[in-house]
Amino acid sequence: GAGVSQSPSNKVTEKGKDVELRCDPISGHTALYWYRQSLGQGLEFLIYFQGNSAPDKSGLPSDRFSAERTGGSVSTLTIQRTQQEDSAVYLCASSLSQGSKNIQYFGAGTRLSVL
Amino acid sequence: GEDVEQSLFLSVREGDSSVINCTYTDSSSTYLYWYKQEPGAGLQLLTYIFSNMDMKQDQRLTVLLNKKDKHLSLRIADTQTGDSAIYFCAEFGGGFKTIFGAGTRLFVKA
Repeated sequence: GAGVSQSPSNKVTEKGKDVELRCDPISGHTALYWYRQSLGQGLEFLIYFQGNSAPDKSGLPSDRFSAERTGGSVSTLTIQRTQQEDSAVYLCASSLSQGSKNIQYFGAGTRLSVL
Repeated sequence: GEDVEQSLFLSVREGDSSVINCTYTDSSSTYLYWYKQEPGAGLQLLTYIFSNMDMKQDQRLTVLLNKKDKHLSLRIADTQTGDSAIYFCAEFGGGFKTIFGAGTRLFVKA
C-alpha cells in the first residue's frame, strides 16, 4: 500500500501562532514516531506511540509540543505559540512492531518555518 | 547514554569507492542500520546488519561491523552521482528507541 504520508509538506507561520502537523502511517503499522531534524543536525526523537499503550513523550522539548494518535492510526503533532527555534523538518515514521528489527518507514516530512 | 557518531561530510569522485564510518556506544545493540536521505525526502532504509555478523554485502554496498570497537562502516563501490545524499547510521538495542547519528553528507563529483 501507500507509504507514510505527511501534510502539509511545507508550513510557514508567524511567531506565536499554533500549528498542526499530520501523519498517516502505513496501514497495519502499530508503532509511530515523530522526529525533528534541524539544519545540519541528526534526528531528534520527539514522541513514540505503540498500539493502545500510553505514548512515550520523553523527547518533547517543551510543554508547547503535544501529539495525539486517533484510532491507532493518524497522528497529529501540535506546536503551540511557535518560536523561531521550532523551525525544522518534522519527520514521522511508522514500523510494524516495536520488537524484531524495528525497521522504520519515514514520510517526506513537514518543513516548518517560523518567521 | 546511547550515542551514535559519524563524520558530517565526505566527497568522492564518480567511480571511486566511498566509505562512511560510524561509531556507537550501546554494546547491547542488536541491529545496526544505514538509512539514506535524498533532498526533500524522508529517510529510507538502505541496509542493516545483525550484531552477530561481521559483514554484509548487497550489490554495491558492503557493511562492516567491528563489535569490539563498536565501529560500523558502509562502503559504496563505483559511486555514482545518484548516490549523493545524506547517510544516517542508527542502532537499535531492543525496546523501541532507535538512535540515529547526525548523518554524513556524501558529495559525488562527476
